[in-house]
Amino acid sequence: GAVVSQHPSWVICKSGTSVKIECRSLDFQATTMFWYRQFPKQSLMLMATSNEGSKATYEQGVEKDKFLINHASLTLSTLTVTSAHPEDSSFYICSARPASVVDTQYFGPGTRLTVL
Amino acid sequence: ILNVEQSPQSLHVQEGDSTNFTCSFPSSNFYALHWYRWETAKSPEALFVMTLNGDEKKKGRISATLNTKEGYSYLYIKGSQPEDSATYLCAVRDDKIIFGKGTRLHILP
Repeated sequence: GAVVSQHPSWVICKSGTSVKIECRSLDFQATTMFWYRQFPKQSLMLMATSNEGSKATYEQGVEKDKFLINHASLTLSTLTVTSAHPEDSSFYICSARPASVVDTQYFGPGTRLTVL
Repeated sequence: ILNVEQSPQSLHVQEGDSTNFTCSFPSSNFYALHWYRWETAKSPEALFVMTLNGDEKKKGRISATLNTKEGYSYLYIKGSQPEDSATYLCAVRDDKIIFGKGTRLHILP
């Protein structure tokens, strides 16, 4: 099946620094990638939808200047958490949708971010 | 869609027993329902996509049904095995996709 990787799988950083998370589709081209966040005991919440070569669409309440998304190729999207604060500590997970399939998305394994 | 509810939150089942759990959602503006299995430290794995009222899907010992008129889906596991231990996520899509909190299934040996 289709494989999506995420890197890093976990990261600890100091408050005020920026952290970049990569999401790659390894064996298919993804015109659309999604970024989710999950707080403890909560649902996966969609943060933004990124389409290759265009600006990401952010969900209500998600600061686009804080969570920078770049989808420069059909196999790579990055999420940069800028000036991270402890309240940004969460589990971030991406998914990728193949170009030819509308109702399917393949998830990465997620990244655990802890901001000290 | 405002909320997708999954119940129970957690479930312990003896190996060999069958089990089922529920995903509930508002029935207006429904487009599709997805079930995922999510094992710890792995990626969520798609199990089923269902769109039509009355849909039934099956994959090995796991099956699912969909009732869009009353707004629920059931996931059934027959003859539970240790490898079935995971969190089962339901996600419902109208113009956006909303996830439930999942049902965490523990299979007891």
